[in-house]
Amino acid sequence: DQQVKQNSPSLSVQEGRISILNCDYTNSMFDYFLWYKKYPAEGPTFLISISSIKDKNEDGRFTVFLNKSAKHLSLHIVPSQPGDSAVYFCAAVTGNQFYFGTGTSLTVIP
Amino acid sequence: DAGVIQSPRHEVTEMGQEVTLRCKPISGHNSLFWYRQTMMRGLELLIYFNNNVPIDDSGMPEDRFSAKMPNASFSTLKIQPSEPRDSAVYFCASSSGDSREQYFGPGTRLTVT
Repeated sequence: DQQVKQNSPSLSVQEGRISILNCDYTNSMFDYFLWYKKYPAEGPTFLISISSIKDKNEDGRFTVFLNKSAKHLSLHIVPSQPGDSAVYFCAAVTGNQFYFGTGTSLTVIP
Repeated sequence: DAGVIQSPRHEVTEMGQEVTLRCKPISGHNSLFWYRQTMMRGLELLIYFNNNVPIDDSGMPEDRFSAKMPNASFSTLKIQPSEPRDSAVYFCASSSGDSREQYFGPGTRLTVT
């Protein structure tokens, strides 16, 4: 049973435009959320996170939004760059239990 | 720091054989996680250790899977006997203290024929 879902397996965006990656979760006990970025043949690398007590966290071009009532998380990348092309995983945490989504493959078209 | 080190990077084996995957966490990190990545289920947590002690192995799929962490700098994930459905990429990750940011290794791509 997937507690964290990324319903869009892929996304294509033009360079310079905004990329929006979405993530839904089912467990209201999750209190921390993270986004990881993964290039081929490499392990995921941490990108940005947000605590459940916040609804927004920004780091440069990356912003994560949390809507607890909708159990929805999103990652905004603006402006998108070709180097952002990768697979993005969202993760939700309760205690020491981490639950990852299945990933969204982002392609930024030059 | 070299980051999390995993070996081998690729493993091809025949059904029924024993497979051992290895992980060296980042020095000073006290938590270690083993994950399996598949297209259908994404990244699944198999087991995690805190201070070398297994805390939660509820994600280990079957008794064929076992994991050990004999010391703070080394962990193994063993599959015996292996089956074709075990084919996946296996990641090891480590973290320190109360940080929830995990650092992943490059993964081991396992193919069981």
